[in-house]
Amino acid sequence: GAVVSQHPSRVICKSGTSVKIECRSLDFQATTMFWYRQFPKQSLMLMATSNEGSKATYEQGVEKDKFLINHASLTLSTLTVTSAHPEDSSFYICSAARQALSGGEKLFFGSGTQLSVL
Amino acid sequence: GQNIDQPTEMTATEGAIVQINCTYQTSGFNGLFWYQQHAGEAPTFLSYNVLDGLEEKGRFSSFLSRSKGYSYLLLKELQMKDSASYLCATSGGSYIPTFGRGTSLIVHP
Repeated sequence: GAVVSQHPSRVICKSGTSVKIECRSLDFQATTMFWYRQFPKQSLMLMATSNEGSKATYEQGVEKDKFLINHASLTLSTLTVTSAHPEDSSFYICSAARQALSGGEKLFFGSGTQLSVL
Repeated sequence: GQNIDQPTEMTATEGAIVQINCTYQTSGFNGLFWYQQHAGEAPTFLSYNVLDGLEEKGRFSSFLSRSKGYSYLLLKELQMKDSASYLCATSGGSYIPTFGRGTSLIVHP
């Protein structure tokens, strides 16, 4: 199956610092990638859709200036959590589909990044 | 919007059969997914249903009734490694899956 690589897998940082998370599709080109956040025992919440070569589309309630998304190539999307605070501590997961979603295409997920902000 | 409801937790015995139910309300429907997620790991795809009926894939089967807004995931011959969270997700107008909270399945000997 398709492979999506995400790193770091775990990061601990001080409050006020910025953290960058990388998501790469290793064996296919992904024009669109998705960033989810998951709190313990909660569902995956879509944060934003990352579009190669254009601005990301953010879900309602997600601050675009705080969660910066860059999709500079067909195989790489990055999420930067700026000025992180303890309430940003969560499990962040990226995903991608082999082709444009039109029904039934399964998402391939990265391994996730556990962010802990002290 | 989309609203997905599934039980929070279930327990079952190794070797048994378990059915995890999912009900949904969605504006626009383009299919229902089931994913498996082990603690601290990424979800992995299990099944996709867009038409009514049962789809069987090895030990796992998934059922869909669009008129009832209902799906279930059936796991047979349970193994200890099946202990995980099972996520029901619907695909709406944008085709991007929206996930439920997941059902934590505990398989005991």
